[in-house]
Amino acid sequence: AQSVAQPEDQVNVAEGNPLTVKCTYSVSGNPYLFWYVQYPNRGLQFLLKYITGDNLVKGSYGFEAEFNKSQTSFHLKKPSALVSDSALYFCAVRDRSNSGYALNFGKGTSLLVT
Amino acid sequence: DAGVTQSPTHLIKTRGQQVTLRCSPKSGHDTVSWYQQALGQGPQFIFQYYEEEERQRGNFPDRFSGHQFPNYSSELNVNALLLGDSALYLCASSLLTSGGPQETQYFGPGTRLLVL
Repeated sequence: AQSVAQPEDQVNVAEGNPLTVKCTYSVSGNPYLFWYVQYPNRGLQFLLKYITGDNLVKGSYGFEAEFNKSQTSFHLKKPSALVSDSALYFCAVRDRSNSGYALNFGKGTSLLVT
Repeated sequence: DAGVTQSPTHLIKTRGQQVTLRCSPKSGHDTVSWYQQALGQGPQFIFQYYEEEERQRGNFPDRFSGHQFPNYSSELNVNALLLGDSALYLCASSLLTSGGPQETQYFGPGTRLLVL
């Protein structure tokens, strides 16, 4: 079975400060990991993904994420938060070993930048 | 380049009715997946269609069915609607041949279904 945990329901950050949105995963094999953002009444927008290689992945809008295999984590980060970053963020995992194509999402973390 | 489009945007039905939701994939994509997002939850995978066949299915009853057309567009049908089917239904498209399970799924804006 594969799953994702986002331990924080909400993260509050002051504009200009760095932000981190946490994600931990559980898969039987090696993971593909994804981050999406959802604005109110909108679908999900792709931010970035980890497939293999460098543990630091850079994505859209200045976001990046760090893959840590030993801690089974894939935290989303941004050096300087903007008010416009306020949204709902979802981490998702796919287990590359079971050849499945479904994305398994966490419950989401609401980011509020003020 | 058009992204994923879905119709309708909103829908209100009563218990027991049937509903059909539609999705047009991003240009050049050949695979469509459907997800259900209940309020306050992450999306849950319903099924995926490729080459007009259901390729993988999540933990949803067979009241949920789908179809993919030769132009890659897709429909999601839900029969005998329950109150618990009220949710945002998201369609995602991808290009299977771009790399298999590592391919990125791109989501549409969703259809919000309310069952009364």
